[in-house]
Amino acid sequence: EDKVVQSPLSLVVHEGDTVTLNCSYEVTNFRSLLWYKQEKKAPTFLFMLTSSGIEKKSGRLSSILDKKELSSILNITATQTGDSAIYLCAVVNFGNEKLTFGTGTRLTIIP
Amino acid sequence: EADIYQTPRYLVIGTGKKITLECSQTMGHDKMYWYQQDPGMELHLIHYSYGVNSTEKGDLSSESTVSRIRTEHFPLTLESARPSHTSQYLCASSEYGQNTGELFFGEGSRLTVL
Repeated sequence: EDKVVQSPLSLVVHEGDTVTLNCSYEVTNFRSLLWYKQEKKAPTFLFMLTSSGIEKKSGRLSSILDKKELSSILNITATQTGDSAIYLCAVVNFGNEKLTFGTGTRLTIIP
Repeated sequence: EADIYQTPRYLVIGTGKKITLECSQTMGHDKMYWYQQDPGMELHLIHYSYGVNSTEKGDLSSESTVSRIRTEHFPLTLESARPSHTSQYLCASSEYGQNTGELFFGEGSRLTVL
């Protein structure tokens, strides 16, 4: 059974700080790893990672995949209160095309 | 902005009632999904559909049922709700399937069964 573990479960930092969120996975047939941001409503797509070592970047957010370590990190620099959300990591199984989500990291940014 | 809608947003009902959670998308996507998410827990796939008249059960066993008579509509039904069904239900759609990552989610239906 595919599995995704995220850490920390919860993180509280001050505005302007840089944070790193971790995601480790076990999947029988890896296809890709996805990051989503979930605020009060529905998750919104952030990144899809398929290759090791290639950083994906969008503004202050960036993410990279390490297939050897079966993990990924999501970095947010110069955090803002609008970054407060649950960040979800998911892996896609190539064989059955299923997404398996982690429990998420709840990030709270204090002004 | 994704055009996928769920109703109701919040529902509180008594045990034994039949409920239907509606999900509609205007993007013409073939693939649609239902996820269940308890507070602080991960999303679990409970149903999915790859097109009209196609429905499959997901990873998490669920007593709910779904139908896909029209491309844009993917309702979820509980024939007899129980307190164990209390959860948030998220509907999603995509054009190419989960493996592209481009899942568009609705805003969710939070169900409470007393």
